[in-house]
Amino acid sequence: EVQLVESGGGLVQPGGSLRLSCAASGFTFSNYEMNWVRQAPGKGLEWLSYISNSETIYYADSVKGRFTISRDDAKTSLYLQMNSLRVDDTAVYYCARGDSGGWYYFDYWGQGTLVTVSS
Amino acid sequence: QSVLTQPPSVSGAPGQRVTISCTGSSSNIGAGYDVHWYRQLPGTAPKLLIYGNINRPSGVPDRFSGSKSGTSASLAITGLQAEDEADYYCQSYDSSLSDSRVFGGGTKLTVL
Repeated sequence: EVQLVESGGGLVQPGGSLRLSCAASGFTFSNYEMNWVRQAPGKGLEWLSYISNSETIYYADSVKGRFTISRDDAKTSLYLQMNSLRVDDTAVYYCARGDSGGWYYFDYWGQGTLVTVSS
Repeated sequence: QSVLTQPPSVSGAPGQRVTISCTGSSSNIGAGYDVHWYRQLPGTAPKLLIYGNINRPSGVPDRFSGSKSGTSASLAITGLQAEDEADYYCQSYDSSLSDSRVFGGGTKLTVL
């Protein structure tokens, strides 16, 4: 069974940093692209970042230069380093597995971790 | 505002059929990129409902169907049930942005 479990969320002050983790199991992690998607309170879904199994990386403009995605295939884990956090970064952050066929969809999602940016 | 446009809400009575539209542009749906649909029950993570415009993952009942034409796509739900009450999101790829996966703003389905 595919499982994605996020951790690392919490309360942080504006301008601060946080590192999210996503522990994957139930599939061959190194074979799959991975993504981060967030959802602000009461709002819709926003794709943030992608990392391929060969570590090609893309970011949404809203987080480019502030967030860094990375992966550790040996630990079957995905990470999101978030710097210069702003109040509008407050959201539930989901890791999501990308499909293996190049169709650009997300076939499995974690349960999410809440990040609150507030003074 | 979202790159893909969905109605904020739709509603229907149990047993009825409802459709949710998803309108894009020539750089995403109109460029031939596939549309995918997710369902998000209250307080839970999104779950894949339809992929590649018309395909259902294993376990998704055939009451759910997708279609795509031109710059738009639709999700249809037949035989509406109380447990279908949820938020529904469409998603595609947009070539005008930095390798962006893009979402619709979401549609709240209310079962009357």
